[in-house]
Amino acid sequence: DTAVSQTPKYLVTQMGNDKSIKCEQNLGHDTMYWYKQDSKKFLKIMFSYNNKELIINETVPNRFSPKSPDKAHLNLHINSLELGDSAVYFCASSQDRSGRTITDTQYFGPGTRLTVL
Amino acid sequence: KNQVEQSPQSLIILEGKNCTLQCNYTVSPFSNLRWYKQDTGRGPVSLTIMTFSENTKSNGRYTATLDADTKQSSLHITASQLSDSASYICVVSARLTGGGNKLTFGTGTQLKVEL
Repeated sequence: DTAVSQTPKYLVTQMGNDKSIKCEQNLGHDTMYWYKQDSKKFLKIMFSYNNKELIINETVPNRFSPKSPDKAHLNLHINSLELGDSAVYFCASSQDRSGRTITDTQYFGPGTRLTVL
Repeated sequence: KNQVEQSPQSLIILEGKNCTLQCNYTVSPFSNLRWYKQDTGRGPVSLTIMTFSENTKSNGRYTATLDADTKQSSLHITASQLSDSASYICVVSARLTGGGNKLTFGTGTQLKVEL
């Protein structure tokens, strides 16, 4: 079974629309993340949640709002989509119960390719 | 500013040959360095994680080295296989005040192994 899953895998939408990407992990991990990978394959962290609590919130437009209903899920909602939002979005999780583990391994989902037209 | 630079940007080698990928970083305060393998259309998968005190770590045919003084790391792949074709990403973690880590990703080296 997939450890970290994301839906949908592909998302094509018009500028100005609102969309959500869902992420679920069945590893029993406490920490979950959202990353954005641009066309140059550069990965950048957007958010990190530890046990439903926001830990990291990088300089991301407030059109992006993460929601964690429980520690196994971290969804990403995007309002008023713009052309520059087109990218691959990766969800990840790690065991990191305290949010302070030095060598915590992150497990990535398969990614969601978002295309804004 | 925390940065991670990788070289070469892309590399083509013949199956069975060895290769070495480089990573230079300016992340501070240093916590650990990770190498990830990302297959096309997939999420990154962790290969190795090294802390300040570790110089070498191996995972099968992958061997990572770390020189914390010069802030350099390398990933050596031995006896390459077609399945090694992927992007290899160097990720350096900075220790945050109050605990936790912030990861800075390199742009990756795209490796292609050919027959």
